[in-house]
Amino acid sequence: GEDVEQSLFLSVREGDSSVINCTYTDSSSTYLYWYKQEPGAGLQLLTYIFSNMDMKQDQRLTVLLNKKDKHLSLRIADTQTGDSAIYFCAERPYHGSSNTGKLIFGQGTTLQVKP
Amino acid sequence: GAVVSQHPSWVICKSGTSVKIECRSLDFQATTMFWYRQFPKQSLMLMATSNEGSKATYEQGVEKDKFLINHASLTLSTLTVTSAHPEDSSFYICSAREGSYNEQFFGPGTRLTVL
Repeated sequence: GEDVEQSLFLSVREGDSSVINCTYTDSSSTYLYWYKQEPGAGLQLLTYIFSNMDMKQDQRLTVLLNKKDKHLSLRIADTQTGDSAIYFCAERPYHGSSNTGKLIFGQGTTLQVKP
Repeated sequence: GAVVSQHPSWVICKSGTSVKIECRSLDFQATTMFWYRQFPKQSLMLMATSNEGSKATYEQGVEKDKFLINHASLTLSTLTVTSAHPEDSSFYICSAREGSYNEQFFGPGTRLTVL
């Protein structure tokens, strides 16, 4: 089946690193994504990683993928108050010729950054 | 980057009325659009996938006669909530994808409140 799980809440102090974790069940996942949602707004794509990669770094963001354990993490270095938001991980399963590109989202992790 | 807009951003209606929500891709041609529903503090649930010029594919448990989706052009998809009831109150988010490219671009969402 297709299921994505995240912890619901993370609180850090400004300047610290934040690590948000995600697990998924579908081994056919081709891409895995991290999105950010600010209150009352849509989703902003932060970064994504292809399933044959272990790590991807983009400025303050580092994504680690452990395909064997089906575990994905997002590390935000030097977390700022503007990083406070809900972070969703999502997987894109592959279903061959019927592949629609649909995404399966986790429940979202609320990141609270304290000054 | 690609921009997706939604209109209206919020709507309040009486029970029993129908509400139409528009999703537009502003600077690219969206061959595929996705409609999601998000309850407070919960994840995005895919409702349906629509390809331009063809009937939408609905996820299991989503009533196609209740949630009418039309994707008549490469830049516009509409979701009509027919005979809305208070339990239909939610945040509706669309996303759009150009061709087989990887990324979905999300709209800002529409907050529907049914009284």
